[in-house]
Amino acid sequence: EAQVTQNPRYLITVTGKKLTVTCSQNMNHEYMSWYRQDPGLGLRQIYYSMNVEVTDKGDVPEGYKVSRKEKRNFPLILESPSPNQTSLYFCASSSRTGISGANVLTFGAGSRLTVL
Amino acid sequence: AQKVTQAQTEISVVEKEDVTLDCVYETRDTTYYLFWYKQPPSGELVFLIRRNSFDEQNEISGRYSWNFQKSTSSFNFTITASQVVDSAVYFCALSEAGGGGNKLTFGTGTQLKVEL
Repeated sequence: EAQVTQNPRYLITVTGKKLTVTCSQNMNHEYMSWYRQDPGLGLRQIYYSMNVEVTDKGDVPEGYKVSRKEKRNFPLILESPSPNQTSLYFCASSSRTGISGANVLTFGAGSRLTVL
Repeated sequence: AQKVTQAQTEISVVEKEDVTLDCVYETRDTTYYLFWYKQPPSGELVFLIRRNSFDEQNEISGRYSWNFQKSTSSFNFTITASQVVDSAVYFCALSEAGGGGNKLTFGTGTQLKVEL
């Protein structure tokens, strides 16, 4: 089954304790991205990657890091989490065929992170 | 910069009523794509439709229909004969061709509650 898999799905942590949310897709997609969802703000892009070793900032990158060493994986790293990073996180992927912007994103199931 | 506005934060209807979810967008690009996603209580994001800026034909899929009007920069979504299973948060989103890959700019979402 074609899917984007995120782990963990739920996590409660404390301020300053480094954590990684993993994301893996099995569709051989070139493009991957991370979003966070907050009440009243919708979803906002954190980082994206056009292909292996190519990453760039989205709209809200502060406090996050990413890497793209393999095509299928795109982990989101919080080096020193703070309470304002409490949120619902989504990883997404798509192919890059055709016109940029046209491809439908496939989203993971979401990771709910709470930072105390 | 692109922007998507969903002015209706929450809508409550009784089952079998028709309901329209509004979406207004802003973009300077002439080529862009509009999307609707559904987020049921389980939390995942489900793709519903994609429309490109050159195709203003309305679309119908079962009880769902979409009205795209470039003149008013709107892409409204109507559910006919609503059902309890339609209860979800619905997001409208915009993607510009030539931007950062397939970045989606989301509205803040409309919570639809369908009651018996």
